[in-house]
Amino acid sequence: AQKITQTQPGMFVQEKEAVTLDCTYDTSDPSYGLFWYKQPSSGEMIFLIYQGSYDQQNATEGRYSLNFQKARKSANLVISASQLGDSAMYFCAMRGSSGTYKYIFGTGTRLKVLA
Amino acid sequence: DAEITQSPRHKITETGRQVTLACHQTWNHNNMFWYRQDLGHGLRLIHYSYGVQDTNKGEVSDGYSVSRSNTEDLPLTLESAASSQTSVYFCASSMGQESYEQYFGPGTRLTVT
Repeated sequence: AQKITQTQPGMFVQEKEAVTLDCTYDTSDPSYGLFWYKQPSSGEMIFLIYQGSYDQQNATEGRYSLNFQKARKSANLVISASQLGDSAMYFCAMRGSSGTYKYIFGTGTRLKVLA
Repeated sequence: DAEITQSPRHKITETGRQVTLACHQTWNHNNMFWYRQDLGHGLRLIHYSYGVQDTNKGEVSDGYSVSRSNTEDLPLTLESAASSQTSVYFCASSMGQESYEQYFGPGTRLTVT
């Protein structure tokens, strides 16, 4: 069975510093995709970054990067130069095997950026 | 601009009543999904559809139903609302490409009293 685990319920980071949000996954499928979403206090879900299981390089999108370690089955989100607006809930999600488009979500990590 | 909308945004209903939550997307996406979000559980999949007349059960489908009569809409029906169905409900859609993200609606907060 597929599973996503986020072990950090809450984290603090100082403004302008980098922070890593952990995500580990479990799947027996050879092909899968990993996604990170941000949910601010307003409630909407905002897509941040995607990593495919066959991608050779780690994904990057502006200040977001995904530290993908396939052998360890981890897909950690790195936010560089944290901003106050980064304070939010962050969810890691995994799409299953080829031909399926549904996600499995982790329980989320609440990030608080301190001024 | 294309978008995905949900209505109502907030709903209070009584135990035993039938409730329908609407989801409408103008992305022309084939794939549509319904999730519920509860503290400590993240988002859990209720039902999903890969096209017109196609519907599938997710991990928490008991007490819920969906129908897909066109590309744009996937209404979620709670047949007989229960207090355990108090939650925030999100609709999402995606293209038929594996690398493409899901686009989420703004959510509906449902309270069953």
